[in-house]
Amino acid sequence: QKEVEQDPGPLSVPEGAIVSLNCTYSNSAFQYFMWYRQYSRKGPELLMYTYSSGNKEDGRFTAQVDKSSKYISLFIRDSQPSDSATYLCAMKRGNQFYFGTGTSLTVIP
Amino acid sequence: EAGVVQSPRYKIIEKKQPVAFWCNPISGHNTLYWYLQNLGQGPELLIRYENEEAVDDSQLPKDRFSAERLKGVDSTLKIQPAELGDSAVYLCASSLGGSLDEQYFGPGTRLTVT
Repeated sequence: QKEVEQDPGPLSVPEGAIVSLNCTYSNSAFQYFMWYRQYSRKGPELLMYTYSSGNKEDGRFTAQVDKSSKYISLFIRDSQPSDSATYLCAMKRGNQFYFGTGTSLTVIP
Repeated sequence: EAGVVQSPRYKIIEKKQPVAFWCNPISGHNTLYWYLQNLGQGPELLIRYENEEAVDDSQLPKDRFSAERLKGVDSTLKIQPAELGDSAVYLCASSLGGSLDEQYFGPGTRLTVT
């Protein structure tokens, strides 16, 4: 079993929809939680970084962490075609980062 | 501020040939990472440097892969000889270090071994 599980999708939504992306993890020692966006043929770009349970909002993006359930989510409000990308969750334990497999998202105009 | 720079962006080689990738991290970032990313997968750590010291190379296939970070700035990752299964994207990332450090990735080098 992988330490970080992420549904690969693909996920296709109409423009303006609310998108929910999720990851689960098995190791309670993970301390920090991140979401990256990766466009085709580009490197991952950090979107959100949290270290506590609860919600963190940044514009149209909300990151949610539930440590008791070992579950993290990224919500995208009013999704745009420019949000079409692969979204990777990542978690940090000590000095090591662990990535999910990524969820491919397409926002249809 | 310039981001993480990697070169080349693309490389096609025949199996058994050597290949090298170069990375220039963000200025002032002490920690440098090399990752391998296969299609449809997340990045997997190959090696992590703190300044010029390789502090985690447990996932680096040392029979064919080597890396160096001279003077604690630029880094080079080498494969010799390359195998068909090495075809992937090789990502470099850097961070300031510390518990809340944020990783910044370069665009990656896409390697195709034929």
